[in-house]
Amino acid sequence: QKEVEQDPGPLSVPEGAIVSLNCTYSNSAFQYFMWYRQYSRKGPELLMYTYSSGNKEDGRFTAQVDKSSKYISLFIRDSQPSDSATYLCAMSGGTSYGKLTFGQGTILTVHP
Amino acid sequence: KAGVTQTPRYLIKTRGQQVTLSCSPISGHRSVSWYQQTPGQGLQFLFEYFSETQRNKGNFPGRFSGRQFSNSRSEMNVSTLELGDSALYLCASSLWRGSDSPLHFGNGTRLTVT
Repeated sequence: QKEVEQDPGPLSVPEGAIVSLNCTYSNSAFQYFMWYRQYSRKGPELLMYTYSSGNKEDGRFTAQVDKSSKYISLFIRDSQPSDSATYLCAMSGGTSYGKLTFGQGTILTVHP
Repeated sequence: KAGVTQTPRYLIKTRGQQVTLSCSPISGHRSVSWYQQTPGQGLQFLFEYFSETQRNKGNFPGRFSGRQFSNSRSEMNVSTLELGDSALYLCASSLWRGSDSPLHFGNGTRLTVT
């Protein structure tokens, strides 16, 4: 079993929809949780960065972490065609500095 | 502020050769990590460098190595290339060495081994 599980999709939604992306994990040592967006032929771009449980909002993006359930989510409101990309969850914790454990990535397409 | 810069963007090598990839971190960032991305395995951690010393290493064979220079720039080397080494190699930098210092990635070097 992988340490981090992420539904690869693909996910296809109409413009303006609310998108929900999710990851589950098994390692209790994870304390830092990130969401990256990766466009084709580009590197991952940091979208959201959260510590421990709770919610964090940044514009149209909201990240949620539930450590008791080992579950994290990213919500995208009013989705746009420019949001079409692969979304990767990533986690770190303990003393494994510089080492992130990634989910497989979810491919999202927002169609006009 | 310039992001993480990786060179070259694309490389084609044949089996048995060796290759060196270069990474310039964001100005002021002192920690550099390397990742391999493939369609089958996703993003996998290779190693992390801080203050010119390898601090952390992933589960890759010894053919994969790296180094960091005093200006924080980093290189990774792969010797005796195999077909399975074809991948996108990503470099990431962070301000300091700690889980509370988020990683910022470059656009990668696409390596194709024939």
